Amino acid sequence: AQSVTQLDSHVSVSEGTPVLLRCNYSSSYSPSLFWYVQHPNKGLQLLLKYTSAATLVKGINGFEAEFKKSETSFHLTKPSAHMSDAAEYFCVVSDTGTASKLTFGTGTRLQVTL
Amino acid sequence: KAGVTQTPRYLIKTRGQQVTLSCSPISGHRSVSWYQQTPGQGLQFLFEYFSETQRNKGNFPGRFSGRQFSNSRSEMNVSTLELGDSALYLCASSLASGELNEQFFGPGTRLTVL
Repeated sequence: AQSVTQLDSHVSVSEGTPVLLRCNYSSSYSPSLFWYVQHPNKGLQLLLKYTSAATLVKGINGFEAEFKKSETSFHLTKPSAHMSDAAEYFCVVSDTGTASKLTFGTGTRLQVTL
Repeated sequence: KAGVTQTPRYLIKTRGQQVTLSCSPISGHRSVSWYQQTPGQGLQFLFEYFSETQRNKGNFPGRFSGRQFSNSRSEMNVSTLELGDSALYLCASSLASGELNEQFFGPGTRLTVL
């Protein structure tokens, strides 16, 4: 069975400092991994996805994530946080064969302070 | 291009009633998936429809059902509502059923069961 574990339920950073949101995954197959963001009262938006093409994945708004098979990790990073980055972030896994069935992590709430 | 739309946005029902939620996918998208989001259980996959056929199903009781019409619009029905069914129900559409197809999420329907 596939699963993801988001290691931090809440992360607080100052504007202009780096962001690191941690995610470990478990999958029986070669996984597809995603990061989604959810702003208050808005739908989920895809930040980036990994589908075995390249281990370092660049997404929108300056976010990127690195797939590390040996560590079963897919951490999300951004060099410099912006106030508009404050939101809930979800790490998501999808196994080959049931690709439309997404399994979500519990979410990490990112707070950005001045 | 219009995004995924869900109606109604808010709904209040009482225990024992049934409810129908509607989702209109992005034009040209043929796959529609449904998810339930609650504070306790997070985001959980309900089911996916593609070309009017249910392709995948999550671990929800039979009270939760859905269907898809020939124009790809989808409805989700919950019968004999329970207090625990109070949640944000999200619909997502994609071009087809496959791992490379990004799922686009609607804003959700917030269901409150009293």
